[in-house]
Amino acid sequence: EAQVTQNPRYLITVTGKKLTVTCSQNMNHEYMSWYRQDPGLGLRQIYYSMNVEVTDKGDVPEGYKVSRKEKRNFPLILESPSPNQTSLYFCASRLRQGATSGANVLTFGAGSRLTVL
Amino acid sequence: AQSVTQPDIHITVSEGASLELRCNYSYGATPYLFWYVQSPGQGLQLLLKYFSGDTLVQGIKGFEAEFKRSQSSFNLRKPSVHWSDAAEYFCAVGEKGSGRRALTFGSGTRLQVQP
Repeated sequence: EAQVTQNPRYLITVTGKKLTVTCSQNMNHEYMSWYRQDPGLGLRQIYYSMNVEVTDKGDVPEGYKVSRKEKRNFPLILESPSPNQTSLYFCASRLRQGATSGANVLTFGAGSRLTVL
Repeated sequence: AQSVTQPDIHITVSEGASLELRCNYSYGATPYLFWYVQSPGQGLQLLLKYFSGDTLVQGIKGFEAEFKRSQSSFNLRKPSVHWSDAAEYFCAVGEKGSGRRALTFGSGTRLQVQP
């Protein structure tokens, strides 16, 4: 089944304790992205990657890092989490722009709910 | 920069009633437009999309949306709502060209369905 898999789905941690949220897709998609969802704000993009070893900041990158060493994986790293990073996180992927008419359709993971105390 | 406005934060309708969720966008050219639905505890599922052509698009679960360029709108409609439609709905605009940002989302509309 074509899907985007995120882990963990739920996590409670404490301020300053480094954590990584993994994201893996099995659709051979070039493009991957991380979003955070907060009440009243919708989804805001944190980082995105156009392809392996190509990453760039989205709208709210502060406090986050990413890497794209393999095409299928795009982990989100919080080096020193703070309470304002408590949120619901979504990973998404799609084909590269222009590959087909459906190239702009993002496939989302099920989400990772993170609480930072 | 592109932006999306969903003016209704929360809407309540009775089961069987019709539904319209509003979405207005700001974009310099003809955009790609999307509606996603998020059921409680779930990820986002694509309901429908508009890329070009016919301005009335049909989606899954009986939803449709109409692109109106003159009003910069892409409202979502359903003629008869089911209790299972209770969820949060997000309108999004996609960037043409480089596609770096992929999608910009509205703040969402939460739909409650009364029996």
